[in-house]
Amino acid sequence: GENVEQHPSTLSVQEGDSAVIKCTYSDSASNYFPWYKQELGKGPQLIIDIRSNVGEKKDQRIAVTLNKTAKHFSLHITETQPEDSAVYFCAASNGDSWGKLQFGAGTQVVVTP
Amino acid sequence: DTEVTQTPKHLVMGMTNKKSLKCEQHMGHRAMYWYKQKAKKPPELMFVYSYEKLSINESVPSRFSPECPNSSLLNLHLHALQPEDSALYLCASSPGTSGQETQYFGPGTRLLVL
Repeated sequence: GENVEQHPSTLSVQEGDSAVIKCTYSDSASNYFPWYKQELGKGPQLIIDIRSNVGEKKDQRIAVTLNKTAKHFSLHITETQPEDSAVYFCAASNGDSWGKLQFGAGTQVVVTP
Repeated sequence: DTEVTQTPKHLVMGMTNKKSLKCEQHMGHRAMYWYKQKAKKPPELMFVYSYEKLSINESVPSRFSPECPNSSLLNLHLHALQPEDSALYLCASSPGTSGQETQYFGPGTRLLVL
């Protein structure tokens, strides 16, 4: 089955700096890669996703890149703000298992003012 | 309306109790999911319903019993739980189950089993 590895497990950045989180996946058939942000006491919220027919997608300060050959994808947050502090999960889906997502272990991001 | 709602927000139950968790969405989604999330861990899939039929049961113990009364509602019936079942239970929905469709999560029910 699919295995998703996520690094780093924790990330501390100064406000205004950039943050990068990387994920690798094992199943070459995976074709959908969402990123979720989970704040304390809340459910995961989708922040951006990418499908395998594109290499990069951007939404304001957030961008995701996908390298299908290397089987890795990354989340980039620019100009970080304290409200970006949360746990971020990457996930992958191969479209075969009723939409089943395989999640990475998560990255705790702390943005210090 | 792009929201998944879950009730109750918090639940404390004894090991002999029977309780139910409720999830609702009005986005017209045809797939609904139950996840279990332990502290500092990613969500773990428990069940998937597609068009009101159970499509996936991830070998979940029978003390958890899902039910999908209609396309907008999803219940999780709990009976004879163990303390290790204490966790955040998340519901999600997606338009379908093609594998490339966004799953929208609810806020979760935090369950404590005593």
